[in-house]
Amino acid sequence: GGIITQTPKFLIGQEGQKLTLKCQQNFNHDTMYWYRQDSGKGLRLIYYSITENDLQKGDLSEGYDASREKKSSFSLTVTSAQKNEMAVFLCASSPANTGQLYFGEGSKLTVL
Amino acid sequence: TQTVSQSDAHVTVFEGDSVELRCNYSYGGSIYLSWYIQHHGRGLQFLLKYYSGNPVVQGVNGFKAEFSKSDSSFHLRKASVHWSDSAVYFCAVSANTGANTGKLTFGHGTILRVHP
Repeated sequence: GGIITQTPKFLIGQEGQKLTLKCQQNFNHDTMYWYRQDSGKGLRLIYYSITENDLQKGDLSEGYDASREKKSSFSLTVTSAQKNEMAVFLCASSPANTGQLYFGEGSKLTVL
Repeated sequence: TQTVSQSDAHVTVFEGDSVELRCNYSYGGSIYLSWYIQHHGRGLQFLLKYYSGNPVVQGVNGFKAEFSKSDSSFHLRKASVHWSDSAVYFCAVSANTGANTGKLTFGHGTILRVHP
């Protein structure tokens, strides 16, 4: 089995600050994803990557940057944190061309 | 574009009861449907999927789901629930087209509470 590790688990930042979340997977999966989960709502896709150095925008990419430096890691940057984007950010990975995603435990963002 | 709707925000049952969690979708092409479970404070875990073949699919822990093209539905069922099944359940849909298959659209989730 494998695991997805998200760091940090809790991130507190100031409004306007640039903040970065990191994700590592040891499944050797090709595809990685960043989803945002707001309380009482479903998950919305921010960015995904089908291979190293690839980036694809999701439905919620505005205000975020992502980077797939190597196959096992995928980072997400909030370019200018806003109070209305306090949420849980979930990283996931999957083998190529499948819809079976494996999720990390999430990173909770609080903006003061 | 695909959409997914989970009509029940909350479902409450007693241990040993059967349960059905409803999911309806809209998409005109080849579809990939799945269910995930999220325990409090944790990430999502995959339960089961359908993309072709037998419309009744079995998942982990006694869960199963049935695909219906005529009803545009993919309801999740369990015959006898345990208190540990209390969690949030998400239905997800994607286009079954290679690289887009993993680009899931999630419903808002159904909170299942199982009383002992």
